[in-house]
Amino acid sequence: QVQLVESGGGLVKPGGSLRLSCAASGFTLSDYYMSWIRQAPGKGLEWVAHIGSGSYLIYYADSVKGRFTISRDNAKNSLYLQMNSLRAEDTAVYYCARSAGVEMATRFDYWGQGTLVTVAS
Amino acid sequence: SYELTQSPSVSVSPGQTASITCSGDKLGNKYACWYQQKPGQSPVLVIYQDTKRPSGIPERFSGSNSGDTATLTISGTQAMDEADYYCQAWDSSTVVFGGGTKLTVL
Repeated sequence: QVQLVESGGGLVKPGGSLRLSCAASGFTLSDYYMSWIRQAPGKGLEWVAHIGSGSYLIYYADSVKGRFTISRDNAKNSLYLQMNSLRAEDTAVYYCARSAGVEMATRFDYWGQGTLVTVAS
Repeated sequence: SYELTQSPSVSVSPGQTASITCSGDKLGNKYACWYQQKPGQSPVLVIYQDTKRPSGIPERFSGSNSGDTATLTISGTQAMDEADYYCQAWDSSTVVFGGGTKLTVL
């Protein structure tokens, strides 16, 4: 069965860095676009970044552009999010999610359980 | 940037029909999808490409999208449907989520 398992979350000081990982199983990662989506405590869903199956297409939300980098290693069945220059407002549960479609048909049919990132001094 | 607007809350009695709306400029020209999220859980896709239900989603969930408004309809609402619901669309190489609607089944 399809599984997405995030790791790498934790407590980090403002201005610090963190790298999140998402281990995929039960499907061929290289066949799918993937995204990172976050949810601040008590708030709604916010899309963070999206990556095409071959890493040629990468998109970011304005709120993280220039600070976060999404990448993937299809051979390792893994998705990553490198987060630099972290701010308090980046505090959230970060989900990796699989997109069952592309562009206009983008929809997330599988989600991980999420990993909590807390940015505080 | 593109925005999707949802009412913060909707209440419905058990067995009645709940309608949750999502508004955006010319949203009907895009595909809308919907997610259900229960407390402490990850979101679950319940409607995609405006009207389609993923495998395993009950038939009481349906969707429509026209003009500036997409609607998620839950017929014969059950207590287990109480959750937050989010709409989502794609615009100009970005994924956009609505702010979410809390459905209360009274």
